[in-house]
Amino acid sequence: DTEVTQTPKHLVMGMTNKKSLKCEQHMGHRAMYWYKQKAKKPPELMFVYSYEKLSINESVPSRFSPECPNSSLLNLHLHALQPEDSALYLCASSQTGLETQYFGPGTRLLVL
Amino acid sequence: AQSVTQPDIHITVSEGASLELRCNYSYGATPYLFWYVQSPGQGLQLLLKYFSGDTLVQGIKGFEAEFKRSQSSFNLRKPSVHWSDAAEYFCAVGFSGSARQLTFGSGTQLTVLP
Repeated sequence: DTEVTQTPKHLVMGMTNKKSLKCEQHMGHRAMYWYKQKAKKPPELMFVYSYEKLSINESVPSRFSPECPNSSLLNLHLHALQPEDSALYLCASSQTGLETQYFGPGTRLLVL
Repeated sequence: AQSVTQPDIHITVSEGASLELRCNYSYGATPYLFWYVQSPGQGLQLLLKYFSGDTLVQGIKGFEAEFKRSQSSFNLRKPSVHWSDAAEYFCAVGFSGSARQLTFGSGTQLTVLP
């Protein structure tokens, strides 16, 4: 089973709202990732967690706050977003280091 | 710096025709190579990967890809395209010096004509 699940599928939020995206995998993977993807573009890496510790932050604005409560779960907390943050947010996981990344279906976010 | 190039932004083929999507990378050593497919509004699905060994790799949905070190290429092929293959295709490369990071090509949009 190579499934990564993400909730919600769609999210609409105002610029003053606080919301969270959730990602879950039960493959025993120890690395988890958040990507942002704009239309007609490739995914852009935002954060990498390795063994539940943040290992990479690609200079993402502080209005995005990741959290890895345990090895199966990854959250992305959103606060005071801008309309340009509207995008597809993808979660991925891999066993540990440079192996195959498996992607979830994404959360389509619209910021009004 | 490492880079990945997909020269074709958009390719149109007729159903039943053969397909080749190009991918070139720039890096001094052997990278880890992947092809992903993405249908509209969906996540990325892994088609196939190359880490080492046999340079011709088979993937899901009848796709295959060949790693050519001399040309720094990893082109994706399918002998007979189905209408359901219409999607965006991304080549991705992992480099040993940047563990856990993939560099994606810009993608190729495939349209299949009936």
